[in-house]
Amino acid sequence: DAGVTQSPTHLIKTRGQQVTLRCSPKSGHDTVSWYQQALGQGPQFIFQYYEEEERQRGNFPDRFSGHQFPNYSSELNVNALLLGDSALYLCASSLGFGPATIQYFGAGTRLSVL
Amino acid sequence: GDSVTQMEGPVTLSEEAFLTINCTYTATGYPSLFWYVQYPGEGLQLLLKATKADDKGSNKGFEATYRKETTSFHLEKGSVQVSDSAVYFCALSGGSYIPTFGRGTSLIVHP
Repeated sequence: DAGVTQSPTHLIKTRGQQVTLRCSPKSGHDTVSWYQQALGQGPQFIFQYYEEEERQRGNFPDRFSGHQFPNYSSELNVNALLLGDSALYLCASSLGFGPATIQYFGAGTRLSVL
Repeated sequence: GDSVTQMEGPVTLSEEAFLTINCTYTATGYPSLFWYVQYPGEGLQLLLKATKADDKGSNKGFEATYRKETTSFHLEKGSVQVSDSAVYFCALSGGSYIPTFGRGTSLIVHP
């Protein structure tokens, strides 16, 4: 049973460019969340998708957008990249959402903005 | 808003030592509490959780008790191993059902 898979593993971009990160959830999961993890920090919630709709959004600008496909996979898009966008981007999947829902994380995409 | 505060790391221990990593939280209502662990080069994985006051979560020798009176969820293990070296994250899930994570505590265990 494959867990959460993310691609690519590493990415290098320059300021002003756009980037797309991809995530395949754990089999059977229907909810995907995206997090940004800066070096030495905990994951910060970006947004969550359920039934192809953005269900919740954290405190991130509109440059961050996403999409969920009918097969539950998801993409994170970041426009007009800034140096401060350099981070590890984590995708997590779950079966639905609730107070005790366990999230299953991928290994992440390391984005470097030069 | 919700927040989680963890003790600063790194925590450096010898094998078989006792481990405590402190975690306190601020939240409205009755959140669920979690400990996640991140091994080098991997994503976070759930270590244990507790969903109501006085619940004890446990897994792989690690334990944490949900203390509402002190708003704490400290992680403990009686005898650590080198393989426990990782970064440990305390997290809570409140009314929005979105986890709020602490900054993480790095644990280094020497043989």
